[in-house]
Amino acid sequence: GEDVEQSLFLSVREGDSSVINCTYTDSSSTYLYWYKQEPGAGLQLLTYIFSNMDMKQDQRLTVLLNKKDKHLSLRIADTQTGDSAIYFCAVLTPRDRGSTLGRLYFGRGTQLTVWP
Amino acid sequence: ETGVTQTPRHLVMGMTNKKSLKCEQHLGHNAMYWYKQSAKKPLELMFVYNFKEQTENNSVPSRFSPECPNSSHLFLHLHTLQPEDSALYLCASSQDNQIRVGDTQYFGPGTRLTVL
Repeated sequence: GEDVEQSLFLSVREGDSSVINCTYTDSSSTYLYWYKQEPGAGLQLLTYIFSNMDMKQDQRLTVLLNKKDKHLSLRIADTQTGDSAIYFCAVLTPRDRGSTLGRLYFGRGTQLTVWP
Repeated sequence: ETGVTQTPRHLVMGMTNKKSLKCEQHLGHNAMYWYKQSAKKPLELMFVYNFKEQTENNSVPSRFSPECPNSSHLFLHLHTLQPEDSALYLCASSQDNQIRVGDTQYFGPGTRLTVL
């Protein structure tokens, strides 16, 4: 199976940039996602990147993918207190070798705390 | 976000009770998922349904019984649960669980279950 690793905690000051990192192990991964979870809520899809891309920008969010190193990052520009949440990296990988069915593997989540 | 709804949002039950969790998706998807999110543990995939057929059961105890009457609705029937089953149960849906086109999963808000 796939192993997806994230650091557990990140603290930043309001207005600074946040960078959340993620590593994965399966080179057959196709799509890579970032989800946000606020207290008491479900997972909200933030953005995703296809494995043949190396960067995707969406307003304050920038996703960087280094496929060679199997490293994914999410940069949040001008971080606000409302960005405080848990951020999950998730990787879509074939369920079994040769399967067309996918399985989404999640990291443990990074708790982002933004200080005013 | 009302694409995937879950009811109830909170549930407290005794170990001898029988209850059901309901999930409904309004996105026209064909795949639906149950996940368990416990404190300090990674997100655990429980069941996958694709076009109403169960395609994955990740060694889930039989006290959890899923039902998928159509592609829009998914239930999780609960019977004689244990206190360690207390968790946030998340439902998700995606187009068709096929990896080739990137199968983005959208999550509901979850049901917070407490077993006494």
